[in-house]
Amino acid sequence: GESVGLHLPTLSVQEGDNSIINCAYSNSASDYFIWYKQESGKGPQFIIDIRSNMDKRQGQRVTVLLNKTVKHLSLQIAATQPGDSAVYFCAENMPGQNFVFGPGTRLSVLP
Amino acid sequence: GAVVSQHPSWVICKSGTSVKIECRSLDFQATTMFWYRQFPKQSLMLMATSNEGSKATYEQGVEKDKFLINHASLTLSTLTVTSAHPEDSSFYICSAGRLGSGYEQYFGPGTRLTVT
Repeated sequence: GESVGLHLPTLSVQEGDNSIINCAYSNSASDYFIWYKQESGKGPQFIIDIRSNMDKRQGQRVTVLLNKTVKHLSLQIAATQPGDSAVYFCAENMPGQNFVFGPGTRLSVLP
Repeated sequence: GAVVSQHPSWVICKSGTSVKIECRSLDFQATTMFWYRQFPKQSLMLMATSNEGSKATYEQGVEKDKFLINHASLTLSTLTVTSAHPEDSSFYICSAGRLGSGYEQYFGPGTRLTVT
């Protein structure tokens, strides 16, 4: 069996539905955030970013929401497709510091 | 634009040997390159940051004598895992920061290292 701490949270959604992936970040001084998508055996791929002076940013089929009060970040994917199946990571950055990645969420799209 | 490659993509080596992994920015100059390690079902953990022409900055707990990083040019950084052991088996990913692009990092495809 798997050890505690090695099991990625998994979100399963039906194809065509909207997906919401959540991330709690750690440092209130972080001012820049990125969502990455990582497919199996590949490096992370940039999806969308947001700076701390914004609450919401939209891309193509994706929206990132930032709630600084509770240090929460979410990624919304509209009309989820099979190709969206991957692990999604949020990353936070403070000025002068390196990025810190969240634990990741596995998105599974059901046919 | 902003393509980063890694070589090799997969390597199997015997315990005690050394392995070199290359990270190249193909169509841009990278002022800074980052090396990450990722164990199965876990997140990316930063190992070190390297700037062209200077010594790498290692994260706490990463042995600099075991993980040698060389950033000889604005398009190439190498990570050498010396005297590899089975516990070094992992997915190693590099990323590059483009000159003038601020925060954004461009990730390579990763190198899977298996030490037998």
